Amino acid sequence: QSLLTQPPSVSGTPGQRVSISCSGSSSNIGSNTVNWYQQLPGTAPKLVIYNNSHRPSGVPGRFSGSKSGTSASLAISGLQSEDEADYYCSTWEDSLNGAVFGGGTKLTVL
Amino acid sequence: QVQLQESGPGLLKPSETLSLTCSVSGGSVNGYYWSWIRQSPGKGLEWIGHIFHSGSTNYNPSLKSRVTISVDTAKNQLSLKLNSVTAADTAVYYCAKLVAGGGANWFDPWGQGTPVTVSS
Repeated sequence: QSLLTQPPSVSGTPGQRVSISCSGSSSNIGSNTVNWYQQLPGTAPKLVIYNNSHRPSGVPGRFSGSKSGTSASLAISGLQSEDEADYYCSTWEDSLNGAVFGGGTKLTVL
Repeated sequence: QVQLQESGPGLLKPSETLSLTCSVSGGSVNGYYWSWIRQSPGKGLEWIGHIFHSGSTNYNPSLKSRVTISVDTAKNQLSLKLNSVTAADTAVYYCAKLVAGGGANWFDPWGQGTPVTVSS
């Protein structure tokens, strides 16, 4: 049972905007920044959003992140077939002094 | 840019010790934190622990009694040892650079991962 809760799956059509939620608590999201990772089939996770809303170099501007209280979300606009992947939220957990991850959300592009 | 490559045996028997190495290229291990993370079908992504180049460590309490992470600055490598493995330790094991600063922490980049199966 993960400390961070994500929907198991979301879907959208090309060009559409989709959003993935991540819910936590005061000891993780509520007091730390949130990061998002994209995992394409058979590959390692890749950072797409860090520090709540910052995009690493090379990540398209279609990806955006936000955080409010003990929840965060990842939005992908102008959905493309190449965005089909698993997405994981992650943050620091104060009680562990370590990272925790959400269970992952499978994004399907219809 | 920094690249990470995990290596180690892919098949272990129950009660054996898992030993993995992560080779860092394109940058130095000095001055940074480094982590091990694993991914199993049953439990998703799980942070195992992290180490600073000086050797200070922090481990996930669920694994703390069995895990050791070390760094070899001369070889520019980090290592993971996990004792007394069981089938529950079957997973893909990743090493990653832990970027930490200003209260924010994230993993970037990640190695490609190495699969480990525990089976008799």
